[in-house]
Amino acid sequence: EDQVTQSPEALRLQEGESSSLNCSYTVSGLRGLFWYRQDPGKGPEFLFTLYSAGEEKEKERLKATLTKKESFLHITAPKPEDSATYLCAVQAVGSGYSTLTFGKGTMLLVSP
Amino acid sequence: KAGVTQTPRYLIKTRGQQVTLSCSPISGHRSVSWYQQTPGQGLQFLFEYFSETQRNKGNFPGRFSGRQFSNSRSEMNVSTLELGDSALYLCASSLAQGAEAFFGQGTRLTVV
Repeated sequence: EDQVTQSPEALRLQEGESSSLNCSYTVSGLRGLFWYRQDPGKGPEFLFTLYSAGEEKEKERLKATLTKKESFLHITAPKPEDSATYLCAVQAVGSGYSTLTFGKGTMLLVSP
Repeated sequence: KAGVTQTPRYLIKTRGQQVTLSCSPISGHRSVSWYQQTPGQGLQFLFEYFSETQRNKGNFPGRFSGRQFSNSRSEMNVSTLELGDSALYLCASSLAQGAEAFFGQGTRLTVV
C-alpha cells in the first residue's frame, strides 16, 4: 500500500527564518511526487512535480528536492503570505491513471 | 483559461438524504478524480475517471458513486448520508498520466 508521511505536522517561523518540510514516501513504483499549497477553505494549488531522485525545482522562495525515499520542500526567507498548509502526494505506477496518495500536510505559519 | 469548477460550493443536508456534486474539468482534460478532505483523515481518494470509464476506486462504501460524461464533466453521488460524510469534496483534473492535477475550490458538505 502506498504511504506518504509528512513532518512536522505544524511549523511556526519568523519572517526570514528559513526551514524545510519533509515528505517520506513508500510506493511500489514512483510515477511522480507532487507538492501543493492549500489555503483555508480552498482547493490545493499545484506547486511542483518531481519524477526522479536527484531532481530539484524552484519557484520564488520554494525549492523542492527528491530522493528515493523522501522529498524536501525548502523555504528560504519566508514571508507571512507563505503561511498555508503544504501537501505532498505521490502517484504510483499501476495506481489507476492519475490517482494521488496524499500526506496529511504541514501547516506553516510565518509571523511578521 | 478556466480552472476546475465545482458546484455547488456549499451544501447542508439531513442524515438519510442523498446528494449529487458536480465537477467541470479544465478544457481538454479527460481525467477527473474525486477526493474527500476531513481534518482527521486529510485528503482521501474516492474515485478516478478517464474517458467515461472508472479507472480506480478508493476504499469508500458503495454509498459513494460517480460517473463521467462524454464532455468529461463528472458527478459524484452520496446516498443515505451520514454525519461522518461531512467534509470538503474536491475534484481534480489532469491532462495526462503523470501530469499535475489541478483542483477545484471544492464543495463543503455538512450533514446534520
